[in-house]
Amino acid sequence: AQSVTQPDIHITVSEGASLELRCNYSYGATPYLFWYVQSPGQGLQLLLKYFSGDTLVQGIKGFEAEFKRSQSSFNLRKPSVHWSDAAEYFCAVGARGTYKYIFGTGTRLKVLA
Amino acid sequence: DAGVIQSPRHEVTEMGQEVTLRCKPISGHDYLFWYRQTMMRGLELLIYFNNNVPIDDSGMPEDRFSAKMPNASFSTLKIQPSEPRDSAVYFCASSLATGGDSPLHFGNGTRLTVT
Repeated sequence: AQSVTQPDIHITVSEGASLELRCNYSYGATPYLFWYVQSPGQGLQLLLKYFSGDTLVQGIKGFEAEFKRSQSSFNLRKPSVHWSDAAEYFCAVGARGTYKYIFGTGTRLKVLA
Repeated sequence: DAGVIQSPRHEVTEMGQEVTLRCKPISGHDYLFWYRQTMMRGLELLIYFNNNVPIDDSGMPEDRFSAKMPNASFSTLKIQPSEPRDSAVYFCASSLATGGDSPLHFGNGTRLTVT
């Protein structure tokens, strides 16, 4: 069965610093991979997605993620964090041929001014 | 595009009362999902519909929970009777009819508090 692990529950970075949020998945084939962001009191918003092709995908708000099959990872990165990036970030796996999505437990990002 | 619309945003009710949560998906989206989010269990899929038909309700915790989708633009999630452990944020999401590669579009959720 597919699963998603986000090892970091909380991460704190200074504004302007670089960011990497980790995501590891377990799935028997190449999955569909997503990163979502949730601001307080809001629903989840799609940041980016990977289906196939180029393993480095660009998303909104300056985020990017790299799919590494050998490491079963899909880490989210941003070169320079802004205070408005403080939120909770969820990695998700979509099983091909189904409509089931498995979400990680989330990483809460705090940005220091 | 107004996005997925949920109502109410907040619901406070007493144990034993009936609660109805509402969702309007994005027009043209053939799939509708109900999720529950808690600190302890994260995001859990409760049920999803395809073209108004429930496809998988294996995530519905108990018979106290029921969901309907009478038409393409409206769905409800009902809890009867409600219990304090049902307190959570309930999200509705919709997606296009493609094979698992279509992102979910979430509403802003309904925060349910059962006292």
